Amino acid sequence: EAGVVQSPRYKIIEKKQPVAFWCNPISGHNTLYWYRQNLGQGPELLIRYENEEAVDDSQLPKDRFSAERLKGVDSTLKIQPAELGDSAVYLCASSGNSGNTIYFGEGSWLTVV
Amino acid sequence: DAKTTQPTSMDCAEGRAANLPCNHSTISGNEYVYWYRQIHSQGPQYIIHGLKNNETNEMASLIITEDRKSSTLILPHATLRDTAVYYCIVRAEKLTFGTGTRLTIIP
Repeated sequence: EAGVVQSPRYKIIEKKQPVAFWCNPISGHNTLYWYRQNLGQGPELLIRYENEEAVDDSQLPKDRFSAERLKGVDSTLKIQPAELGDSAVYLCASSGNSGNTIYFGEGSWLTVV
Repeated sequence: DAKTTQPTSMDCAEGRAANLPCNHSTISGNEYVYWYRQIHSQGPQYIIHGLKNNETNEMASLIITEDRKSSTLILPHATLRDTAVYYCIVRAEKLTFGTGTRLTIIP
C-alpha cells in the first residue's frame, strides 16, 4: 500500500516568488495535516483537514499561506509570496480519522534565496 | 497537549538494547503516548503508541509507568539504521512534537 506521497521533493525559489506543494494521502484517510519543520526543530502543525473542511488552521500564516483540499482527497499548500524565513521542510500527513495513528510523507524541502 | 521531556542525545552500542526515556508528568487520562523517529532527510516514522499498558510490536517495546508520568521506548537490538531523532509525544487530539532525542548507534 502506498504511503503519503508529496511533491516536489525539493524546491529552490527566489524570495517573493510563489510556490506550491502537493500531497496525496493514504487511500481512505479522512484526516490530512500539513506540518512545517525548521532546521533542528520538531514539526509544527500548520493546518488539519477533516475531509474537505479545515478544522484547525490557527497556526497557518494566512497573509501568505493558503491550503485547499478539494474533494477531500489531495491537498495543496501554497505560499505567495515566499520569504527567506519560509525555508523549511513541509510535511504532509494523514490518518484514518482524527485520533488514529498519523503517517507522514517524505516532505518537500523548500529553500528560499 | 501535555509537554514531554527527553534527553537531547544518547549513544548506544550496536547490538545492544537502546532505552529512550521520556517524562510526561502532566499527562491526562485520555492522552496517548506516541513515539516517532526521524531519520535525516525523511519524514517522521511511526513506531508505537500506548495508553496504559505496555506495548510491543516488530519495531520496539513501550513501557509506561503505572502512574503514566513517564515511559521508555526500547529498541531491543539496535542497528546502525536506528540512528535517528526519536520523538516522544503525548497526544489528545493534536500531535505536538518537541525537539526529541538524537540517538546515535555506535559500531
